[in-house]
Amino acid sequence: GQQVMQIPQYQHVQEGEDFTTYCNSSTTLSNIQWYKQRPGGHPVFLIQLVKSGEVKKQKRLTFQFGEAKKNSSLHITATQTTDVGTYFCAAGENAGNNRKLIWGLGTSLAVNP
Amino acid sequence: NAGVTQTPKFQVLKTGQSMTLQCAQDMNHEYMSWYRQDPGMGLRLIHYSVGAGITDQGEVPNGYNVSRSTTEDFPLRLLSAAPSQTSVYFCASSPRFGTDYNSPLHFGNGTRLTVT
Repeated sequence: GQQVMQIPQYQHVQEGEDFTTYCNSSTTLSNIQWYKQRPGGHPVFLIQLVKSGEVKKQKRLTFQFGEAKKNSSLHITATQTTDVGTYFCAAGENAGNNRKLIWGLGTSLAVNP
Repeated sequence: NAGVTQTPKFQVLKTGQSMTLQCAQDMNHEYMSWYRQDPGMGLRLIHYSVGAGITDQGEVPNGYNVSRSTTEDFPLRLLSAAPSQTSVYFCASSPRFGTDYNSPLHFGNGTRLTVT
């Protein structure tokens, strides 16, 4: 079935450094969502991208959807300790009405103060 | 507004025991789903429902049953627990089952299940 590859699996940064996680698909996606899960918590929806080449910003977070709608990225500028957690992408299939989400395995971010 | 409420938060079962994980949402969401989360495996869909009376299997449905008699509730039943079902279980809902696009999911706080 369709898969979404998310890289890297882990990232350890110093506070103030930038961070990027990527999601890649071999097939065209309908849309992509990003979630954040704090340690011991539950996934929390961050944003949804639906248009080719779309870029959205939330404060220090920048989300991009590729022109071919096969990849996406989340970039955090000047990380803070509050950014610690696992970031997941979840992609909508580009097929009919059966739109289940396909989840990446997540990128765990650790931030050294 | 409570959102998505899961009970219990923690549970320990012995192999072969049965139990029901409860999930309720007060947002009038059409779509509800159950996921399990295991280290290194991400989130895997167990079962989902697009409305009262309608359920369907996800990618890992074996060993689990669900029903959706009301819009608000979507319980997950383990008929005969196995150690392989040790996991964190999340219930999630969204306003609608995506037509053009998927709707954002609202997750409960999770149930941490250990089967010995």
